[in-house]
Amino acid sequence: SQTIHQWPATLVQPVGSPLSLECTVEGTSNPNLYWYRQAAGRGLQLLFYSVGIGQISSEVPQNLSASRPQDRQFILSSKKLLLSDSGFYLCAWGTGGNQPQHFGDGTRLSIL
Amino acid sequence: ILNVEQSPQSLHVQEGDSTNFTCSFPSSNFYALHWYRWETAKSPEALFVMTLNGDEKKKGRISATLNTKEGYSYLYIKGSQPEDSATYLCAFIGDSGYALNFGKGTSLLVTP
Repeated sequence: SQTIHQWPATLVQPVGSPLSLECTVEGTSNPNLYWYRQAAGRGLQLLFYSVGIGQISSEVPQNLSASRPQDRQFILSSKKLLLSDSGFYLCAWGTGGNQPQHFGDGTRLSIL
Repeated sequence: ILNVEQSPQSLHVQEGDSTNFTCSFPSSNFYALHWYRWETAKSPEALFVMTLNGDEKKKGRISATLNTKEGYSYLYIKGSQPEDSATYLCAFIGDSGYALNFGKGTSLLVTP
């Protein structure tokens, strides 16, 4: 069966520090991969998605970037975190828009 | 960013009550409409993926309908139970075929 792993579960970082969140999927090949964020008081917002190795689509211009170095690995990064980067980050995988997405357990990111 | 609206924002019902929520989305360039249930301290779980105008889907006491021409979907819960307490999210996919645009959700609380 397919599983998705996302870590860390919680993270507290100072403003201006770098960020790296990792997500890996097991049990499937060539999944579509997604990063979402839920900021305080707001809905889930799609940040990036990838349909293959090295292919990244950005939905919202921001302080973050994503990379997909391997088929089942998706990384969310920042060189310098801003206060506005605080939120709950979710990774997800799917096989197409007409199929459900499957979410990781999320990372709660607090910026001090 | 596509506008997906959900109503009501929150709902408090008694055990045994039936309830319904609304999701409205752009009526052009429709690809799919997803419904997810998001319980506290868990990750979002897919309920339905709907692609055809007039679709009706059912899972146990939960059902959903879709009207792509007027841009709305209804989610119904029959005989609500305390374990139905969660946030219910809808998400629209347009002509990208991949990018989920989420509404802010309807938070349901069912009390015994």
